[in-house]
Amino acid sequence: AQSVTQLDSHVSVSEGTPVLLRCNYSSSYSPSLFWYVQHPNKGLQLLLKYTSAATLVKGINGFEAEFKKSETSFHLTKPSAHMSDAAEYFCVVSGLSGGFKTIFGAGTRLFVKA
Amino acid sequence: DGGITQSPKYLFRKEGQNVTLSCEQNLNHDAMYWYRQDPGQGLRLIYYSQIVNDFQKGDIAEGYSVSREKKESFPLTVTSAQKNPTAFYLCASSIGGYYGYTFGSGTRLTVV
Repeated sequence: AQSVTQLDSHVSVSEGTPVLLRCNYSSSYSPSLFWYVQHPNKGLQLLLKYTSAATLVKGINGFEAEFKKSETSFHLTKPSAHMSDAAEYFCVVSGLSGGFKTIFGAGTRLFVKA
Repeated sequence: DGGITQSPKYLFRKEGQNVTLSCEQNLNHDAMYWYRQDPGQGLRLIYYSQIVNDFQKGDIAEGYSVSREKKESFPLTVTSAQKNPTAFYLCASSIGGYYGYTFGSGTRLTVV
């Protein structure tokens, strides 16, 4: 069975400080893992994805995530937050167990203070 | 540019009325999906289709219907049987969920 847990519903940082959004997953098979960003009243945009290549994945807008199999984690980080990063972030796991199955996390709202 | 187009952006429904949300993609993706998003909640799968003329119910299909007559199009009808349709609806497509989705910009449906 697959599942994904975003450990924080809200995260607040100051502009220019690091961002850490945490995601743990469970999967019986080697999963694909994704982070998406959603700005208000918009669709979701793919930030980055892990599909069993390099464990450190670089995405758009300076974000990156590290796949840690031993910890079943896929945390999203950015060295320096910008005001435009304020949005909702979704961690997603997808795998081939039992055919198609994609699970979305509940989301983490990121607030960036000036 | 390739992408997914959802229309309309805003839609208002009267009680007892059926409404149809449009979703068109020019990415040549086989799979298409409809999700519902409520305030402060994640995404819930309504229906998905992995090939033309075939579709499957998701987790919350009651009160909704879909068709997939063309690869490019996957319209969603919100029927009068859906008692609480006010939500943000997102359409997505992919070459397979394992590879990630491309999302449309969404339709916000409100019951008046």
